[in-house]
Amino acid sequence: GENVEQHPSTLSVQEGDSAVIKCTYSDSASNYFPWYKQELGKGPQLIIDIRSNVGEKKDQRIAVTLNKTAKHFSLHITETQPEDSAVYFCAARISGKGKLTFGQGTILTVHP
Amino acid sequence: DAGVIQSPRHEVTEMGQEVTLRCKPISGHDYLFWYRQTMMRGLELLIYFNNNVPIDDSGMPEDRFSAKMPNASFSTLKIQPSEPRDSAVYFCASSPVSRSGELFFGEGSRLTVL
Repeated sequence: GENVEQHPSTLSVQEGDSAVIKCTYSDSASNYFPWYKQELGKGPQLIIDIRSNVGEKKDQRIAVTLNKTAKHFSLHITETQPEDSAVYFCAARISGKGKLTFGQGTILTVHP
Repeated sequence: DAGVIQSPRHEVTEMGQEVTLRCKPISGHDYLFWYRQTMMRGLELLIYFNNNVPIDDSGMPEDRFSAKMPNASFSTLKIQPSEPRDSAVYFCASSPVSRSGELFFGEGSRLTVL
């Protein structure tokens, strides 16, 4: 099955700085890579996703890059704000399968 | 739509008791997932259903855990007997076929087994 590794486990930045979270996956058959944000006491919510036929995708201050050869993908948040503080999860899904395998999560803290 | 609805939000029980967690998926969604979240193991998939049929239950820890989906609008996750190591937040999520991949999570059921 798929295995997803996520780093770092915690990340602390100053407001306005950029934040980068990295993930690697094990199964080359994976073709869908979403990122979820989880706020305290809530369930995870999708913030951006990328499919294997695309190398980069951007949505305002967040962007995701994918390197299929190296089997890794990254989340980039620019101009961070305190409300970006949350736990972020990467995930991967094998083509033709229904389930998502999640990374361990990154606790992002943005200091005002 | 109200989103995925889970109940109870919090449950405290004693070891050996039966626990039943409930989930109402978003109407029209064909997939339903049960995940467990702990600090040590992160988000683990326990089981998922497609059109009410269990597809993959390889993540169910042991025979004490069972899940059912009697119809498209309701699912249960049952633990009997419960143990302290079952303490976790249990999430239900649903997904529509038309936007395959995006999971819509409920707010979770926090279970504490004493």
